[in-house]
Amino acid sequence: GQQVMQIPQYQHVQEGEDFTTYCNSSTTLSNIQWYKQRPGGHPVFLIQLVKSGEVKKQKRLTFQFGEAKKNSSLHITATQTTDVGTYFCAAVTSTGTASKLTFGTGTRLQVTL
Amino acid sequence: NAGVTQTPKFQVLKTGQSMTLQCAQDMNHEYMSWYRQDPGMGLRLIHYSVGAGITDQGEVPNGYNVSRSTTEDFPLRLLSAAPSQTSVYFCASSYSYYSGFDTDTQYFGPGTRLTVL
Repeated sequence: GQQVMQIPQYQHVQEGEDFTTYCNSSTTLSNIQWYKQRPGGHPVFLIQLVKSGEVKKQKRLTFQFGEAKKNSSLHITATQTTDVGTYFCAAVTSTGTASKLTFGTGTRLQVTL
Repeated sequence: NAGVTQTPKFQVLKTGQSMTLQCAQDMNHEYMSWYRQDPGMGLRLIHYSVGAGITDQGEVPNGYNVSRSTTEDFPLRLLSAAPSQTSVYFCASSYSYYSGFDTDTQYFGPGTRLTVL
């Protein structure tokens, strides 16, 4: 079945440092979505990438979809304590009758002053 | 809109007990799904539904039943709870079940933390 790996599992940075998490799939993806989950909270949708090589920005967050649509990355510039949480990628695959999300294992980000 | 609501927030069961986790959404979404979240394993899809009367299995369906009699509600039933079902359960909904649309945003409920002793 669909496998989605995320690295690293955990990263601890000082406020102001950059952060990147990588998502790799064993198969070519239709789309990929990114979610953020704060400690004790629920996943919140950040963005969806659809096109090969697509790059999207949301303020300090930059999302990239690989040319082969098998990998993706999320880069945060100049992290802040509000960025603390776990970031998940989710591979969207279509079965013809419905689309399913297969979540990566997540990268937990800790930011300290 | 209340969005996606889940009840209860916390539950402790004994092995063999049954219970139903409730999920409701007021956004008229077609697609609803249940995930479980375990440490280090991300979220895994249990069951999903593309509309009232239509359900299908996800990645880890064993031990769980679902039904979708209305657009708004999608309860998850544990028939005979086992310690391996100790987890945090999230319900999610989205407007459409076709990939590629911006309306594929999944809205998650606040979760139910279940412990089976």
